[in-house]
Amino acid sequence: SAVISQKPSRDICQRGTSLTIQCQVDSQVTMMFWYRQQPGQSLTLIATANQGSEATYESGFVIDKFPISRPNLTFSTLTVSNMSPEDSSIYLCSVAPDPRGQGYEQYFGPGTRLTVT
Amino acid sequence: DQQVKQNSPSLSVQEGRISILNCDYTNSMFDYFLWYKKYPAEGPTFLISISSIKDKNEDGRFTVFLNKSAKHLSLHIVPSQPGDSAVYFCAANTGNQFYFGTGTSLTVIP
Repeated sequence: SAVISQKPSRDICQRGTSLTIQCQVDSQVTMMFWYRQQPGQSLTLIATANQGSEATYESGFVIDKFPISRPNLTFSTLTVSNMSPEDSSIYLCSVAPDPRGQGYEQYFGPGTRLTVT
Repeated sequence: DQQVKQNSPSLSVQEGRISILNCDYTNSMFDYFLWYKKYPAEGPTFLISISSIKDKNEDGRFTVFLNKSAKHLSLHIVPSQPGDSAVYFCAANTGNQFYFGTGTSLTVIP
């Protein structure tokens, strides 16, 4: 497994501003993911962030709104830009330290609870 | 399009009894299935998994059953303990794609 920390753990932000969420892993991992969990809903993948390449965004998510950095194998950031109340959610990073040929586990950080007013 | 579904949003069970959490999926290409447990204010924690080539995987009090013909998997917790009270997510994986259910909130009553 991997130990993952996120900063901040929570924040309350005004609409129109941006927030950068940091994700730190205690070991080097190739695959890192960013998820969003809106109230009462499942985890929705925003993007996959592999070191050395551009992040791959899922349908409905764009780089201008959710820019991602992945400068090394232990760290990533997700920025939520020009926020609106609809962006209020829990944002989670996860890693997959041991990709296998047939499936693998992801390990999640504690999440960042964002409230946009 | 919800490819992984957990139709029971909540479940209550007496301590010591069996908890059965269910999950249905639609994509026959999924080759790995997982269960996660989530406490409030924490991220999901990996619990147990099963490959599509198996029909059962057991780890202590937790057993996952997979019925591929029915596209159904279940998580059995026996005996249930108050500390098991949490939200349980099932997930399915194929390639680099993960799909999560909406979760079932389990309450174990002492």
